Amino acid sequence: KAGVTQTPRYLIKTRGQQVTLSCSPISGHRSVSWYQQTPGQGLQFLFEYFSETQRNKGNFPGRFSGRQFSNSRSEMNVSTLELGDSALYLCASSPLMTGGYGYTFGSGTRLTVV
Amino acid sequence: TQLLEQSPQFLSIQEGENLTVYCNSSSVFSSLQWYRQEPGEGPVLLVTVVTGGEVKKLKRLTFQFGDARKDSSLHITAAQPGDTGLYLCAADFGNEKLTFGTGTRLTIIP
Repeated sequence: KAGVTQTPRYLIKTRGQQVTLSCSPISGHRSVSWYQQTPGQGLQFLFEYFSETQRNKGNFPGRFSGRQFSNSRSEMNVSTLELGDSALYLCASSPLMTGGYGYTFGSGTRLTVV
Repeated sequence: TQLLEQSPQFLSIQEGENLTVYCNSSSVFSSLQWYRQEPGEGPVLLVTVVTGGEVKKLKRLTFQFGDARKDSSLHITAAQPGDTGLYLCAADFGNEKLTFGTGTRLTIIP
């Protein structure tokens, strides 16, 4: 079956702009989680959506938001981009909440803010 | 705040050698997962352990979950270049999210 698809793979944005990233989970998976990965901080939890509802949110400013659609596809949005937002953004899907039985990750979106 | 410390942070060994990497926390976790990540890709799940003292084997990889449910280890026998990557542990501390460790970057030299 198809894996987790993230688009786009690469993005370059300017400070102050906003960006929207997309994630299509594995068919049948209702949980989608987002993580930010940087060399200094590792993988940091952003938020989890399950059945279109945000179940948990990490310690990130309100500029980071997301949503999930009825087909389980998810988007995350970052407004007023800062240089420190440059990172690999990873989406993970799971049949259960909180990655029960493990996550399947997408290949990520590499965001560079200049 | 629950933290997962992995050690060593970097490890470079010759092909054919054995190695062990560690994942430790000061807090108890209910389950633990190990992932391997290669450059430009997302992490790939290797194993999930849920029972204290549990040992799981995946070919040349052996995973152990500590009795106190605060630590885990990954042992690789006869390392191969294909084992190169970033190894991540991830724990469920019962706070409705998976917390990832700091990672061990492993390089196997042919």
